[in-house]
Amino acid sequence: EVQLVESGGGLIQPGRSLRLSCSASGFSFGDYGLSWVRQAPGKGLEWVGLIRPTFYGGTTEHAASVKDRFIISRDDSKGIVYLQMNSLETEDTAVYYCTRERPHYGDNVFDHWGQGTLVAVSS
Amino acid sequence: DIQMTQSPSSLSASVGDRVTITCRASQSISNYLNWYQQKPGKAPKLLIYAASGVQSGVPSRFSGSGSGTDFTLTISSLQPEDFAIYYCQQSYSGRTFGQGTKLEI
Repeated sequence: EVQLVESGGGLIQPGRSLRLSCSASGFSFGDYGLSWVRQAPGKGLEWVGLIRPTFYGGTTEHAASVKDRFIISRDDSKGIVYLQMNSLETEDTAVYYCTRERPHYGDNVFDHWGQGTLVAVSS
Repeated sequence: DIQMTQSPSSLSASVGDRVTITCRASQSISNYLNWYQQKPGKAPKLLIYAASGVQSGVPSRFSGSGSGTDFTLTISSLQPEDFAIYYCQQSYSGRTFGQGTKLEI
């Protein structure tokens, strides 16, 4: 069974840094890309960024709203993907989900999701 | 960046109704379009991939169509458990979600 478990959320002051982790199990971790998606309270889903499988170089893409502040990385030996969040702003307050990307003839589908971890940025 | 626009933003319907939600992309995205369902306090769930593929385990009353810039999600006969928020998402360039459609009783 595919499982994704996020951790590391909490209350943090503006300007500080926080690192989220997503531990994966039940599939060949290195063969898949992973994305982070966030949802501010009462709002819709916002894609944050992705990291490709290692055989595609493990390259990353980030949404414009977090580019230069957020960094995604992966440790295939541990089956963990990280989201390093720097210079946090109150607008970054959200539930952060880790998702697995399943490739399908060019399309990339978020086929499994974690339960989410809440990040609250406030002074 | 590719923008995704869903309509309507909210929709009232009854059990047994046929419902259609529309998603429009700001440029052609081929069929790289997916649909998700989200219930309160839960993570989203994949319903439809590549515009018309039904995810395993999803009831057959859910279907998707479209290509290029215009896509639809159809629920053929609403069931009580279908009242939720629905999102479209493109993966043609980066990833973008629509703003969501709230389906209410």
